[in-house]
Amino acid sequence: DGGITQSPKYLFRKEGQNVTLSCEQNLNHDAMYWYRQDPGQGLRLIYYSQIVNDFQKGDIAEGYSVSREKKESFPLTVTSAQKNPTAFYLCASSTGGLRNTEAFFGQGTRLTVV
Amino acid sequence: DQQVKQNSPSLSVQEGRISILNCDYTNSMFDYFLWYKKYPAEGPTFLISISSIKDKNEDGRFTVFLNKSAKHLSLHIVPSQPGDSAVYFCAASGLGSNNDMRFGAGTRLTVKP
Repeated sequence: DGGITQSPKYLFRKEGQNVTLSCEQNLNHDAMYWYRQDPGQGLRLIYYSQIVNDFQKGDIAEGYSVSREKKESFPLTVTSAQKNPTAFYLCASSTGGLRNTEAFFGQGTRLTVV
Repeated sequence: DQQVKQNSPSLSVQEGRISILNCDYTNSMFDYFLWYKKYPAEGPTFLISISSIKDKNEDGRFTVFLNKSAKHLSLHIVPSQPGDSAVYFCAASGLGSNNDMRFGAGTRLTVKP
């Protein structure tokens, strides 16, 4: 049963701490993405990776870091430098670039800074 | 700079009637448009897409219309069902970079029984 799995579903973090969100896919997709959703706004691209060991910054990469050591995995670290980290985070994957193809999304992780 | 706009944050329709969700974009370089559907606490799921070489694409109860001159697309759902109640995102791609897909803010559709 192919798909994208994000964990955990809910995450609480104290201010000043780094936290890592997991994203795993078994769709054999080359490309993976991280988006952030805030109330009243569309999805904004944080980072994307088109191939293992390579990734690019999206529109709002500041305060975030990623790695792509395996095709199946694309973890996102929210660092203490991210000034407003409370949001709903979505991971996605696609067969190639997002031009002329759809993305498949995970169920999301809601991060709350306390 | 929001290049994809969904100006109606919410829409309520009666079961069996037509739902029309609208989306406007500002950049004429976009050439591929998609609609995603999202339930609470879940990721969006792909619904339907349209290439800029077409002006209409139909899939069952869902039809997307594209008006390139007006930079406007719409999603029609006929007939609307209570299970269609969700947030619908419009998305557009084609701006040079392979991965430059822009999303609108979403429209929450409520279909009343």
